[in-house]
Amino acid sequence: KNQVEQSPQSLIILEGKNCTLQCNYTVSPFSNLRWYKQDTGRGPVSLTIMTFSENTKSNGRYTATLDADTKQSSLHITASQLSDSASYICVVNYYTDKLIFGTGTRLQVFP
Amino acid sequence: DAGVIQSPRHEVTEMGQEVTLRCKPISGHDYLFWYRQTMMRGLELLIYFNNNVPIDDSGMPEDRFSAKMPNASFSTLKIQPSEPRDSAVYFCASSLEQVVMNTEAFFGQGTRLTVV
Repeated sequence: KNQVEQSPQSLIILEGKNCTLQCNYTVSPFSNLRWYKQDTGRGPVSLTIMTFSENTKSNGRYTATLDADTKQSSLHITASQLSDSASYICVVNYYTDKLIFGTGTRLQVFP
Repeated sequence: DAGVIQSPRHEVTEMGQEVTLRCKPISGHDYLFWYRQTMMRGLELLIYFNNNVPIDDSGMPEDRFSAKMPNASFSTLKIQPSEPRDSAVYFCASSLEQVVMNTEAFFGQGTRLTVV
């Protein structure tokens, strides 16, 4: 079964600290993997898109890694800010136009 | 561009009533997607269109759900009759090309539907 699992489900960190979110997937065939940020009450916003041949991609303080062999990805957030408080969703592109979403990691950053 | 626009933002209706959700995709985008988000199941694809034509509706839960795209700038998702278990946030998204081409999908703000 094609699945995307994320851990942890929730995370609390202090402002200025780093954190890493994990994503494991069993989707096959795999085309690309995305990380989205979803603020409360808003739609998801894309952070990164990686193909199977890419190992890492950065977007400001966000760095995503991908190991297509082990089917694992991570999102590292550096020097967290209060505005990073959101849900982070790992999404895998399956076949041509299907996106399979993880249930997300809810991150809370406290001052 | 204002992005993907959905209306209404919130909808509260009684069980058995018809509900219509609306979406205006980003101009020039050939693909439009309808998703449903719940706490238990996360985001799930309901249906998607390419050039106004429905391509895959395998995610539509029941015959009570229907979606149309009469033109490139407008789509509707209708639930008739609505049931309490339909309560969720419904998102519309659009993209320029197929997502397999690594193109970005842009989401609207969503419609929070509550069926009482």
